[in-house]
Amino acid sequence: DAKTTQPNSMESNEEEPVHLPCNHSTISGTDYIHWYRQLPSQGPEYVIHGLTSNVNNRMASLAIAEDRKSSTLILHRATLRDAAVYYCILRGDFGNEKLTFGTGTRLTIIP
Amino acid sequence: GAVVSQHPSRVICKSGTSVKIECRSLDFQATTMFWYRQFPKQSLMLMATSNEGSKATYEQGVEKDKFLINHASLTLSTLTVTSAHPEDSSFYICSAKTSRGGNEKLFFGSGTQLSVL
Repeated sequence: DAKTTQPNSMESNEEEPVHLPCNHSTISGTDYIHWYRQLPSQGPEYVIHGLTSNVNNRMASLAIAEDRKSSTLILHRATLRDAAVYYCILRGDFGNEKLTFGTGTRLTIIP
Repeated sequence: GAVVSQHPSRVICKSGTSVKIECRSLDFQATTMFWYRQFPKQSLMLMATSNEGSKATYEQGVEKDKFLINHASLTLSTLTVTSAHPEDSSFYICSAKTSRGGNEKLFFGSGTQLSVL
C-alpha cells in the first residue's frame, strides 16, 4: 500500500485557518486521497476526498499538488470541536479499496 | 448522511467468554464492511474485510478462529471475539461502504470498547 506521512501534532488558535499537510510520494495514478478525523472515544468521521482537482465541502477544502505527491487539508475557521486526530489515507480503486490508517496528526485548538 | 450503528458501545466480560459486536448500516445497503481495532493512543489497525454472503478476508496476523466475522445480510455484520482474554481488550470499530471503488467514502460506527477482566 502507498504510504502517507503526516506531522504527529499541530496546534492552531480558535477561529483561525488550519492547514494540515500530507505527503504521499508513492501515490499511484488510481489512488484517491481521503481524509478522516477521529474525535476521542469515537469512530472516524469522513471529512473529504479527491483524486486530482481541489475539492471543497461544508467541512473543509482539500488542496492537491499538481504532481499529486502531497495534499493539504484546510479548515477555514477552526473551532474547539475540530480538535481531533486527522488521518490522510490513500485508497485504491477496484480490488484494493481498504483504508489503511497511518498515525495521523493530532490537532489541538487553542481557545 | 449514511449511518452505521454499532452495538454495544461498551462491554466488560470475564476472561474465557465470547463477545459479539454488531454493526448495522441503517439507511443503506453495505456491500462491504471492515473491522478495525485500536489500542490507546494508537492508530486503527484493519483486522478484516467482509463482503455480504462470502467469507471474510483477514489481515496478516489476525486469527480468524479468534475473531469470527459474519456478514449475513447487506445491513448487518457481526464480530465475535471468542474466548476473550485481557490482551483482547481494545476499541473495536466497524465501517461500511455502499459500492466498490476508491471514490466511495466509508461510514464508521461509533466503536465498541471491550474490557476483558
